[in-house]
Amino acid sequence: GAVVSQHPSRVICKSGTSVKIECRSLDFQATTMFWYRQFPKQSLMLMATSNEGSKATYEQGVEKDKFLINHASLTLSTLTVTSAHPEDSSFYICSARDPGRAKPEQYFGPGTRLTVT
Amino acid sequence: DAKTTQPPSMDCAEGRAANLPCNHSTISGNEYVYWYRQIHSQGPQYIIHGLKNNETNEMASLIITEDRKSSTLILPHATLRDTAVYYCIVRADNAGNMLTFGGGTRLMVKP
Repeated sequence: GAVVSQHPSRVICKSGTSVKIECRSLDFQATTMFWYRQFPKQSLMLMATSNEGSKATYEQGVEKDKFLINHASLTLSTLTVTSAHPEDSSFYICSARDPGRAKPEQYFGPGTRLTVT
Repeated sequence: DAKTTQPPSMDCAEGRAANLPCNHSTISGNEYVYWYRQIHSQGPQYIIHGLKNNETNEMASLIITEDRKSSTLILPHATLRDTAVYYCIVRADNAGNMLTFGGGTRLMVKP
């Protein structure tokens, strides 16, 4: 099946710093990618929709100035957590659909665990 | 998207069939039933989806009731590696491809 990768898999940063997470579609091009956040023992919550060549669409309650999304190419979307705080510690997951496949399933990355100290 | 209701947890003996129920009583005619699972600390994985007919693939079978208000995901011979959280999601196929996750069912396969 199609593959989505994320980098890094784990990151620890100090409060107040910024962290960039990359999401790549390895064998397909994705005009749209999705960013989710998952707190311990909770379900995935959609944060934003990343659109190649245009601005991201953020879900209600997600600060666009804090979570910067850039989708500069058809295979790469980045999420930058700016001025990170301990409450931003979470598991961040991206997904994309392969438009070249008939099946409508989403392919998810392995996730990035962010810990802010 | 229609809301789904799943039991929070289930146990299953290794080698036995795991039957995971999902209620979606407010499903609309154009909405599909999708199942994904998430193994601990990994991204979710697609399992199967269907509209009204029962479906089967190499991973599982999906049984949808005639009124489409509920469905059951069947793992025919559960293994320890099937221990995961299973999410039932109802979505119209043209709903922008994003997925709305509920609480899911935490399936524990025991030896």
